[in-house]
Amino acid sequence: EVQLVQSGAEVKKPGESLNISCKASGYSFTNYWIAWVRQMPGKGLEWMGIIYPGDSDTRYSPSFQGQVTISADKSISTAYLQWSSLKASDTAMYYCARQTSTMVRGVTSNWFDPWGQGTLVTVSS
Amino acid sequence: QSVLTQPPSASGTPGQRVTISCSGSSSNIGSNTVNWYQHLPGKAPKLLIHSDNQRPSGVPDRFSGSKSGTSASLAISGLQSEDEADYYCAAWDDSLNGPVFGGGTKLTVL
Repeated sequence: EVQLVQSGAEVKKPGESLNISCKASGYSFTNYWIAWVRQMPGKGLEWMGIIYPGDSDTRYSPSFQGQVTISADKSISTAYLQWSSLKASDTAMYYCARQTSTMVRGVTSNWFDPWGQGTLVTVSS
Repeated sequence: QSVLTQPPSASGTPGQRVTISCSGSSSNIGSNTVNWYQHLPGKAPKLLIHSDNQRPSGVPDRFSGSKSGTSASLAISGLQSEDEADYYCAAWDDSLNGPVFGGGTKLTVL
């Protein structure tokens, strides 16, 4: 079974650093992109960025570039989302998801499946 | 403000058919395929429809997707109480070079 299991909820103070994880199993970790998605309280889903664990190629949404770091350790099939200095506005649920891509009749399709169970990050003084 | 526009809420009674719309632009829905996700409270989002109208294995055929121009729709027939959830559309955006999501539609089964 393809599965993504995320690390547990975190409560941090502003200015602190944080590293949350997403462990993959049931498939070849190095062959699929892994994305991170944010959901702020009462809001919708936002794509933060994506990494290809095979070669660590990483892309960020402009909204998150410079705000977070995405990395992966293929030796343990785990992707990470890191903050060096948290802000209260980083309070949100964070999901990782595996991206599948196909090309049919010249049209590329990308979708997220499966998703991790989410990691709730609370930043408060 | 989400890039894709969905109605914030929808509702129906058991057995009814409901549709949820998703409006975008030429840089996303107009030139790329659309996916739909179901998000139950406290659970991981679940892929319902990919590539405009393809159901992954295990998704009931009560769920169907369609697309025309820069808009897409999710239809749920034979509505059931367990369908009560938030539904999100998503599509690749050529300007962002990444996926964009709708703001989500909260479906209530009356």
